[in-house]
Amino acid sequence: DTGVSQDPRHKITKRGQNVTFRCDPISEHNRLYWYRQTLGQGPEFLTYFQNEAQLEKSRLLSDRFSAERPKGSFSTLEIQRTEQGDSAMYLCASSLGVDPSDTQYFGPGTRLTVL
Amino acid sequence: AQSVTQLDSQVPVFEEAPVELRCNYSSSVSVYLFWYVQYPNQGLQLLLKYLSGSTLVKGINGFEAEFNKSQTSFHLRKPSVHISDTAEYFCAVSPRGYSTLTFGKGTMLLVSP
Repeated sequence: DTGVSQDPRHKITKRGQNVTFRCDPISEHNRLYWYRQTLGQGPEFLTYFQNEAQLEKSRLLSDRFSAERPKGSFSTLEIQRTEQGDSAMYLCASSLGVDPSDTQYFGPGTRLTVL
Repeated sequence: AQSVTQLDSQVPVFEEAPVELRCNYSSSVSVYLFWYVQYPNQGLQLLLKYLSGSTLVKGINGFEAEFNKSQTSFHLRKPSVHISDTAEYFCAVSPRGYSTLTFGKGTMLLVSP
């Protein structure tokens, strides 16, 4: 069990560029979550997958954001036409089962800076 | 909808002193309650969670929390803190039957010698 990993750890981009982040959950974890954390705030839920199905999306997830989990393993989060307001830490978490009380294990995050 | 209020943004305390980090929540439905800790440059780590049963929950690293339904609170306590407990602590809730966590803004615990 190597934990949840995220790549890259840091990303600096210019406004208007597209960026993609990757999350590798703990092996055999069925659920995968994306959260966003801005400075001085707690994480905010963006979306989650059960296996390859995207089950819920937050209103925070604008049309410029898209997430996939094509084979039910790793996931990608893409932001198109980045804006300065997208600067944040993007967190990924995974949980073993489908029970809502299952512990979510978090990765170290990808810090995005949009210039 | 749910919301979480962490009343203190920073709590300074001396080593070996007791500490309480406060958390209040608002929800129209029953919830699960969680405390997570975030050390610098590390991911969030679960300290403890309340699902049902005994209102006093014991977690890792000597922390415990008490669920108070009438006061809609879930305060975190430790009887004697260490320098290594310096970190940011987040309270979170999820509605029963749902998987999404709603977090508070966090409380920075600063332990000094």
